[in-house]
Amino acid sequence: GENVEQHPSTLSVQEGDSAVIKCTYSDSASNYFPWYKQELGKRPQLIIDIRSNVGEKKDQRIAVTLNKTAKHFSLHITETQPEDSAVYFCAALYSSASKIIFGSGTRLSIRP
Amino acid sequence: EPEVTQTPSHQVTQMGQEVILRCVPISNHLYFYWYRQILGQKVEFLVSFYNNEISEKSEIFDDQFSVERPDGSNFTLKIRSTKLEDSAMYFCASSLGGGAGDTQYFGPGTRLTVL
Repeated sequence: GENVEQHPSTLSVQEGDSAVIKCTYSDSASNYFPWYKQELGKRPQLIIDIRSNVGEKKDQRIAVTLNKTAKHFSLHITETQPEDSAVYFCAALYSSASKIIFGSGTRLSIRP
Repeated sequence: EPEVTQTPSHQVTQMGQEVILRCVPISNHLYFYWYRQILGQKVEFLVSFYNNEISEKSEIFDDQFSVERPDGSNFTLKIRSTKLEDSAMYFCASSLGGGAGDTQYFGPGTRLTVL
C-alpha cells in the first residue's frame, strides 16, 4: 500500500546543533520526495525536495538524502535556529495519481 | 509570486449541513488537489483533479464529497451532509503538471468546524 513512515515524532535540539529526520516509503515507483515545514495554523510550505535521479541535495542549512534501494530519505538541518521550530513532514509523490502521501510529521523544537 | 488562495478561512456549520469550500489555484496550473488535516495529525490526500475530471480519490472521499471547477478560476470542494468527524483544516493545492517535476503549491487552508 501507499505509506510513508516518519520518525522521530518529536525532536528537541540545542540551538546550533543539527537535526535529522528520517522517512521510509513503500512504493518503489515513487520518484519525488518533498519536505514541508508547517508552522502552527499555517499551510505546509515546501522547503526542499529531491527526485529519484539524485542522491543528495543541499540548500544552505538544509540537505536531503535519498536511498532508493532502501526506500528511505532523510532531512538534515545544520546550525539550527529558533525559527526552525515547526512541524516537518516528509512526503512521497505517487505519480500514477499525482498524489502526495505525507508522513506523520516531526515536531522540531530548538532549545535556546 | 502567485499563490493559491482559499475562502473562507474559517467555516462553522451544523452537522448535516452542506458546505462549499472554495479555492483559486495558480492561474496556469492544470492539476488541482484537496487535502485535509485533522488537528494534530498528518495531511491526508482527498482527491486530484485534471482536465475537468477526478484523477484519483482516497477512501476518505466518499459520496458525501464532490469537487467542481465551475469556471476558469475556481475549484470547489462540497461536503453534502457534514459530520462531526469532517472537522479539519482543508487545503487546496495546484501544480503545473502531475509528475515528479511539478511542485504542488498549497493554499492557506480553510478550517472547518462542524458542531
